[in-house]
Amino acid sequence: DAGVIQSPRHEVTEMGQEVTLRCKPISGHDYLFWYRQTMMRGLELLIYFNNNVPIDDSGMPEDRFSAKMPNASFSTLKIQPSEPRDSAVYFCASTRDRISGTSEAFFGQGTRLTVV
Amino acid sequence: SQQGEEDPQALSIQEGENATMNCSYKTSINNLQWYRQNSGRGLVHLILIRSNEREKHSGRLRVTLDTSKKSSSLLITASRAADTASYFCATERSGTYKYIFGTGTRLKVLA
Repeated sequence: DAGVIQSPRHEVTEMGQEVTLRCKPISGHDYLFWYRQTMMRGLELLIYFNNNVPIDDSGMPEDRFSAKMPNASFSTLKIQPSEPRDSAVYFCASTRDRISGTSEAFFGQGTRLTVV
Repeated sequence: SQQGEEDPQALSIQEGENATMNCSYKTSINNLQWYRQNSGRGLVHLILIRSNEREKHSGRLRVTLDTSKKSSSLLITASRAADTASYFCATERSGTYKYIFGTGTRLKVLA
């Protein structure tokens, strides 16, 4: 398996534009997580899904952020409109169901977002 | 804040020395995990310790967990320059499947 795949790796956009980040989890993993990493706030959990259903989105900073998981192999994190304070590295991670396996989370390489 | 606390924030040691990093957290947990992050890369899982375990070893890594103090430590023995990275603890909170990460320790191993 190629691991968790995120795209794009880098995104530079102007304030006010819509940004879509994409993630392909490892096949067979039931849980998918979106994290944001900044120097000031560290790694923040934004939202996580189980079997494509959002379970906890309490970490989503505001209504400008939305996440979807239309099927088991694809998820998106959308920011509309984007603001400079959204600049960060966004990570996607996936893990198997706890009953069948360990709790180890596998991370993608991240998307570095810069909003100017 | 979502985060637990890690200390030290930064650690610089000579190759061959041992490195110890500490993590404190706030809630009851199912397990605690340690991850490594090389600059500009994603996080890589190192080791997991369950809430009913007190100590675990994996190669040059030793992890302890004290649930009464809500704290954990990661010991890397005989460090190498390649161990230079940031190290994060992550707790899986009881009753949830949420992984909450600490603030991280930046380790630099000098050759």
